[in-house]
Amino acid sequence: SQQGEEDPQALSIQEGENATMNCSYKTSINNLQWYRQNSGRGLVHLILIRSNEREKHSGRLRVTLDTSKKSSSLLITASRAADTASYFCATDQGWGNNRLAFGKGNQVVVIP
Amino acid sequence: ETGVTQSPTHLIKTRGQQVTLRCSSQSGHNTVSWYQQALGQGPQFIFQYYREEENGRGNFPPRFSGLQFPNYSSELNVNALELDDSALYLCASSLGGARTDTQYFGPGTRLTVL
Repeated sequence: SQQGEEDPQALSIQEGENATMNCSYKTSINNLQWYRQNSGRGLVHLILIRSNEREKHSGRLRVTLDTSKKSSSLLITASRAADTASYFCATDQGWGNNRLAFGKGNQVVVIP
Repeated sequence: ETGVTQSPTHLIKTRGQQVTLRCSSQSGHNTVSWYQQALGQGPQFIFQYYREEENGRGNFPPRFSGLQFPNYSSELNVNALELDDSALYLCASSLGGARTDTQYFGPGTRLTVL
């Protein structure tokens, strides 16, 4: 199955800086979602952007979606040490059952 | 906290054995999806249960099977365990079927196969 692919794979930033991650995918989608995972534990849903949306905000998070380029970006502004985690994009490719295809993830380390 | 629980937290098995993992969905959710996450990788979709019926399956062999109960909790069974089955197994609940809806993940079960 097609999967999102995040770029870059690992990111190390200072607290207060912004972190940007990109995700590309290969097929048409219903929506794209971003999840956070701390230390190999459960996934926490961050934000969902539908295929007819171009940008969405949630708190310090900003997500963009470019369906013509089949890509998305996640921006975390004013990062905090607690933002240290792995971030995954996942696409709902319209199988009709909300099945998600995940990318490999971005490891983000925020240095206090 | 998502309200989705999984048991056990950790499990160690040997090759050839069978394992059952359990998931309790969030209250009001009728759909449970199971994912396998190998170390350093993203989760891979195994299958989904909607109202006690399988509703989609990923690229996993038949020795991966599941059940959903009338209270919408679910089990994942893996027979004839292989070393490559070592992974974090995640379940996610949602209001489901064909709806596009946020999935709420449990904390996972870490399975180690020796």
